[in-house]
Amino acid sequence: QIQLVQSGAEVKKPGASARISCTASGYTFTSSGINWMRQAPGQRLEWMGWINPGNGDTEYSDKLQGRISITMDTSASTAYLDLRGLKSDDTSVYYCARSPGLGWFHPWGQGTLLTVSS
Amino acid sequence: EIVLTQSPGTLSLSPGERATLSCRASQYISDTYFAWYQQKPGQPPRLLLYATSRRATGIPDRFTGSGSGTDFTLTINGLEPEDFAVYFCQQYDTSRTFGQGTKVEVK
Repeated sequence: QIQLVQSGAEVKKPGASARISCTASGYTFTSSGINWMRQAPGQRLEWMGWINPGNGDTEYSDKLQGRISITMDTSASTAYLDLRGLKSDDTSVYYCARSPGLGWFHPWGQGTLLTVSS
Repeated sequence: EIVLTQSPGTLSLSPGERATLSCRASQYISDTYFAWYQQKPGQPPRLLLYATSRRATGIPDRFTGSGSGTDFTLTINGLEPEDFAVYFCQQYDTSRTFGQGTKVEVK
């Protein structure tokens, strides 16, 4: 079955950078987009950006532009989220998700907790 | 940015009852670009419906979606014990945004 598996929890200090990976299986990696969302405690889900593994095109949310990069390794069927200049309010659970159609997300990775604390 | 506002915040119901969840958009959304998700504690969201009313693979037919324009509804007919969870709406018409969630809890 189609599955996305994310890397493990991380703790970072303010100002540092973080990288979270998302490895896909069960389908052709280049056939569907990979999106990244985050969910802070008590906050609504926030879409961060996506990559088209078919051609490498990316799109980022206006709020995070300049601090975010989404890349991929097609040979490993893996997408990466890089977030720079971490702040305490970047503390969230981060999810990757496949977008098989026009913009809905299915399935989702299991989530990665990123904690930013001094 | 299109803001999605869900109501009510919490719905207290008994198994077997019908749940009606609402999601209102701050501007027009094509019904092609609207989805609903279910999330249980410690789990990622699970897609229920896309294009307003199309059920994802494996989703039982007690979950139905309707609506258009700025008002969308998720109806769960005959709540099962596994249906008590948080439900989110999402639009993908302009960028992608989510509602704040409705918690369906056991009365």
